[in-house]
Amino acid sequence: SQQGEEDPQALSIQEGENATMNCSYKTSINNLQWYRQNSGRGLVHLILIRSNEREKHSGRLRVTLDTSKKSSSLLITASRAADTASYFCATPTGFQKLVFGTGTRLLVSP
Amino acid sequence: GAGVSQSPRYKVTKRGQDVALRCDPISGHVSLYWYRQALGQGPEFLTYFNYEAQQDKSGLPNDRFSAERPEGSISTLTIQRTEQRDSAMYRCASSPKGLAGGRTDTQYFGPGTRLTVL
Repeated sequence: SQQGEEDPQALSIQEGENATMNCSYKTSINNLQWYRQNSGRGLVHLILIRSNEREKHSGRLRVTLDTSKKSSSLLITASRAADTASYFCATPTGFQKLVFGTGTRLLVSP
Repeated sequence: GAGVSQSPRYKVTKRGQDVALRCDPISGHVSLYWYRQALGQGPEFLTYFNYEAQQDKSGLPNDRFSAERPEGSISTLTIQRTEQRDSAMYRCASSPKGLAGGRTDTQYFGPGTRLTVL
């Protein structure tokens, strides 16, 4: 079963614009991770935010975490066509297994 | 260095046949995971190995599915008597730490095996 849900399910923007996608989850977490999946390629780990952190940056990525609302957001600034992909949030449970959300499909047009 | 590799990349089989999917993790990685991903969905956990020990197989859907990692490196996911509902992308991931590493270990995913059961 899926732990979380991403919102929106799909997002279409122009190059240079910012993209924001949200993730809601159900149970208490130790950390939350974001992954990207390009068409025809594997999942790539983007960023991990721990439960005691509220915000984290990595290059053009900014992740926030609100444990009281059980939600996280991923912001991609100055988007590029190469950012076109599906983005998933994931939370570890049990023996480190990741439980993924349903994903947001991002399309960045030139 | 080399990432996680999986073979075959594509597998088409007839209903009722057995299939074996292979995962070659990053060298030295202690943990190995199998996930299944349906079209338009996120990956769903199948099973987890710490070295050669299968620590969690709670995600295996039924007893037609089994996995092994006999020497703590390469792993094989076997599906017996395949059914059409088994069609999906099967993904393998590895991470450097084992159980002692806690829950903050990054998982490195392979390209997946696309299984189609006719």
